[in-house]
Amino acid sequence: GNSVTQMEGPVTLSEEAFLTINCTYTATGYPSLFWYVQYPGEGLQLLLKATKADDKGSNKGFEATYRKETTSFHLEKGSVQVSDSAVYFCALSELGGAQKLVFGQGTRLTINP
Amino acid sequence: EADIYQTPRYLVIGTGKKITLECSQTMGHDKMYWYQQDPGMELHLIHYSYGVNSTEKGDLSSESTVSRIRTEHFPLTLESARPSHTSQYLCASRTGGADQPQHFGDGTRLSIL
Repeated sequence: GNSVTQMEGPVTLSEEAFLTINCTYTATGYPSLFWYVQYPGEGLQLLLKATKADDKGSNKGFEATYRKETTSFHLEKGSVQVSDSAVYFCALSELGGAQKLVFGQGTRLTINP
Repeated sequence: EADIYQTPRYLVIGTGKKITLECSQTMGHDKMYWYQQDPGMELHLIHYSYGVNSTEKGDLSSESTVSRIRTEHFPLTLESARPSHTSQYLCASRTGGADQPQHFGDGTRLSIL
């Protein structure tokens, strides 16, 4: 079946550091890929998406590129802020059936001032 | 911002009670989903709906039931709550194909004593 694997957390960085959160997937066909962010006490918010190979999604300084050859969708940001502290989920959208989201296990990010 | 609402946000209740978690969206989305998020952060699909009068069970076995009598409303019911039902429940909706993102409510954090 389809699956998503994220790098193990938690991740702690200093403000203005470079961020990478690795995400790889296993899927039938070419699913759409998403990054969601969850702030404390809230639901998930869409951060960015990519729907086909070589697409780059970007939002709020975050970027991720859909790499078909490595089945990856790594999240990057050049300079993180304290306000980026949250849990980040990589997900793929299945093509058939319920077209449900299959999530990675989540990565808790803490940014220290 | 997506317009999807969940009530209550928090609920602490005793074993054996009947509980209904409400989820409403004002976007006219046809597809709706319920996810259960465990303390380790992982998300599991427990129910989904393609539209009015359509409901299906998800991947994670759940003793809860759902109904979809109106497009905008997708309540989840537990007939007799148990401590094992303690979790966070997230509702989501989507329109269009698998390339479209799901929009999430803020969740209900349920504690069964």
